[in-house]
Amino acid sequence: SAVISQKPSRDICQRGTSLTIQCQVDSQVTMMFWYRQQPGQSLTLIATANQGSEATYESGFVIDKFPISRPNLTFSTLTVSNMSPEDSSIYLCSVEGSAGEVDEQFFGPGTRLTVL
Amino acid sequence: GENVEQHPSTLSVQEGDSAVIKCTYSDSASNYFPWYKQELGKGPQLIIDIRSNVGEKKDQRIAVTLNKTAKHFSLHITETQPEDSAVYFCAAIYNTDKLIFGTGTRLQVFP
Repeated sequence: SAVISQKPSRDICQRGTSLTIQCQVDSQVTMMFWYRQQPGQSLTLIATANQGSEATYESGFVIDKFPISRPNLTFSTLTVSNMSPEDSSIYLCSVEGSAGEVDEQFFGPGTRLTVL
Repeated sequence: GENVEQHPSTLSVQEGDSAVIKCTYSDSASNYFPWYKQELGKGPQLIIDIRSNVGEKKDQRIAVTLNKTAKHFSLHITETQPEDSAVYFCAAIYNTDKLIFGTGTRLQVFP
């Protein structure tokens, strides 16, 4: 499976500010995804990060709030903009397996965000 | 819309006993069903998955069964150990590449 790292691992931010989360993979992958996991909850897909084109957002998530970049096949960023306490969550990136069968998704360690 | 239900939300077992977690899904086109284990402070880890062309898959102490007619699938852990304690999530794929997750089961294995 791919090795996925995320930076930062955690952060505490003031409301109204923005935070950019980085996701790095040790191999080239076609599909990268960003998820949100609110405290004690399940995972919700925010968007699919497409290399060379705009991200595809799920219902309830918009580009102005969660801009995403995907400059190459091993890297993506998610920005949480104009943060409020409701944005306090774990943000996870995942990749679709590059060496195995299609559909297998592997997750990074997550970024734990607290907004005061 | 697409939905995955998961039960129970919490499960406590004695070390050595078996644990079973059940999920149902709504999209009849789903054909891939992974299970993830999430330990405290970590990202979800893929532990086993099953595709719609098989009814059961085993990997050492864990197994997954799938009933496509009833649209439900289950995770079975035998001979549980304290290190099995974690939150487990089932998921189903929809729209060919997107995963929708169940609500999670917190498993506690007591020594």
